[in-house]
Amino acid sequence: QKEVEQNSGPLSVPEGAIASLNCTYSDRGSQSFFWYRQYSGKSPELIMSIYSNGDKEDGRFTAQLNKASQYVSLLIRDSQPSDSATYLCAVNQGGGSYIPTFGRGTSLIVHP
Amino acid sequence: SAVISQKPSRDICQRGTSLTIQCQVDSQVTMMFWYRQQPGQSLTLIATANQGSEATYESGFVIDKFPISRPNLTFSTLTVSNMSPEDSSIYLCSVEAPNSGNTIYFGEGSWLTVV
Repeated sequence: QKEVEQNSGPLSVPEGAIASLNCTYSDRGSQSFFWYRQYSGKSPELIMSIYSNGDKEDGRFTAQLNKASQYVSLLIRDSQPSDSATYLCAVNQGGGSYIPTFGRGTSLIVHP
Repeated sequence: SAVISQKPSRDICQRGTSLTIQCQVDSQVTMMFWYRQQPGQSLTLIATANQGSEATYESGFVIDKFPISRPNLTFSTLTVSNMSPEDSSIYLCSVEAPNSGNTIYFGEGSWLTVV
């Protein structure tokens, strides 16, 4: 049973702070990792993907992957109230498997 | 990426009726996926739809309740049959976009409320 675990939150941070979202996964063979943002009443939208150990930066977002420890995280710098949403971690075993396993999501609240 | 259009975006349905959700993609894709997201919950995969073959259903979902069609590489439908209030949910069509490194993209979703 492949599992992806996230703290459901809510994680509350002040505007301008760094929000840190964490995700652990059980399948050691996992190869592809994704973060999605889902606003209330909307469908998930892709923020970032990461495939190799280390950091990947895109604007205010940084994804971090540590395969040895089986965790992936998302950092949001200079958090804005518009970042308030649920963040879903998804893990894909790869190797021809196209079906990711999603975590339950972490609710982030950025307060002014 | 891929542009995915779903219809209807929202509907209120009577108990016992059936509703078909359509999903159109702007490019040819091998597999399409149908997810359900019940209020306050995460995504649950209903089935994977391959063009030209029967859909593969996940545990807890059956073809009689959720028949799926996949007539070509850009289109799929999901029918929610004999609906009950427990079927009130968001239904999401998703695809793995070509040459995207196994990245899944979602349609806008279909919000169904069964009364």
